[in-house]
Amino acid sequence: SYVLTQPPSVSVAPGETARITCEENNIGTKSVHWYQQKPGQAPVLVIYYDRDRPSGIPERFSGSNFENTATLTIRRVEAGDEADYYCHVWESSSDHYVFGTGTKVTVL
Amino acid sequence: EVQLLESGGGLVQPGGSLRLSCAASGFMFAGSAMNWVRQAPGKGLEWVSSLSGSGKATYYADSVKGRFTISRDNSKNTVYLHMNSLRVEDTGLYYCAKERTTGLAYEYWGQGTLVTVSS
Repeated sequence: SYVLTQPPSVSVAPGETARITCEENNIGTKSVHWYQQKPGQAPVLVIYYDRDRPSGIPERFSGSNFENTATLTIRRVEAGDEADYYCHVWESSSDHYVFGTGTKVTVL
Repeated sequence: EVQLLESGGGLVQPGGSLRLSCAASGFMFAGSAMNWVRQAPGKGLEWVSSLSGSGKATYYADSVKGRFTISRDNSKNTVYLHMNSLRVEDTGLYYCAKERTTGLAYEYWGQGTLVTVSS
């Protein structure tokens, strides 16, 4: 089965850059979406189709996807960015959606 | 303003059934692909089921296939998740989510309804 592997945790100081990876064989051939989930809240879409931002999402959030790794980058990290982040793809060979294992971002 | 309001969760014994509802407003419901995603306590997101905008195509995670059925009533702007033969491992918060018009990404989410399967 298709498994999207993310690091369990990423720690970053305020003002620095956080990079969250999502790894799977040939993920670069798929469209990857990213969600932010704060404690007690529903997920929020922050990046879709690898690199597009919904309206209202700060430009500090960006995405890339190449070969076996998709990456969500958060620049100039703020305390309010502390949350769990999940990648998400449609796996056409099985007609299944798949979520990544999730990464907890801690702002030091 | 887009709103998705889930309901129907509760406590049920193993082997029991529940029907979840997601009432939608603020967008053209008919033709919008809808999805259910669940989250076990303290765990990550797990995709459960999807329904195409036409209502003709349905998709299920292997863990629920044959036990859960997704459906929609466009006259009521509501999507349902019928859950049978419930197991302890089905416990979790169930979210309804709307796909973007261009597909795949979930642009709007409800606040979820809690399902607890326990004897």
